[in-house]
Amino acid sequence: EPEVTQTPSHQVTQMGQEVILRCVPISNHLYFYWYRQILGQKVEFLVSFYNNEISEKSEIFDDQFSVERPDGSNFTLKIRSTKLEDSAMYFCASRVRGVAGNTIYFGEGSWLTVV
Amino acid sequence: GDSVTQMEGPVTLSEEAFLTINCTYTATGYPSLFWYVQYPGEGLQLLLKATKADDKGSNKGFEATYRKETTSFHLEKGSVQVSDSAVYFCALGTQGGSEKLVFGKGMKLTVNP
Repeated sequence: EPEVTQTPSHQVTQMGQEVILRCVPISNHLYFYWYRQILGQKVEFLVSFYNNEISEKSEIFDDQFSVERPDGSNFTLKIRSTKLEDSAMYFCASRVRGVAGNTIYFGEGSWLTVV
Repeated sequence: GDSVTQMEGPVTLSEEAFLTINCTYTATGYPSLFWYVQYPGEGLQLLLKATKADDKGSNKGFEATYRKETTSFHLEKGSVQVSDSAVYFCALGTQGGSEKLVFGKGMKLTVNP
């Protein structure tokens, strides 16, 4: 079964450093997402991406965050200057198209620890 | 805005016990509803879904019915197994735009032999 893959699975970085999390969505999917889950808390929406542009973003997704689809397969989340509170599991997700009820498929996540 | 409220747990059950995890939602319009499961060390997997009122989603012995009148989507399983130990998330799919998911806080279930 096709799956969303994410790298790295775990990254430790110093506060203030830039981090790039990478994702390869399922190949025929058109909508891409990033979510995050701070330890012990709910899964939160960060951003959605369609047709090479951001379609929606949450309040969390401030100027420190950016997303990019640099080629036909990868979808990246960049955090320019990490803060301690950015420590979380980051999930990439994708779906085929924007039809109500279409399943969103998640990757296994990238654990980011900011020290 | 749209939101999901679910039982938080943690909950510990014995094998073959009956499981109910309550989930209610607040949304404009008629969202799709989902249950996702996160097994230890893994990502989020879709367990089941329902896209309209009175629909019943089912998978792996789990069931949930979309109840518009009570804005609920409670998850049930008649006889849990040790392998069902996981964190269960209720979610709704927002209408229009990117149709993102809004999650509840998740409930950790441990099933003992």
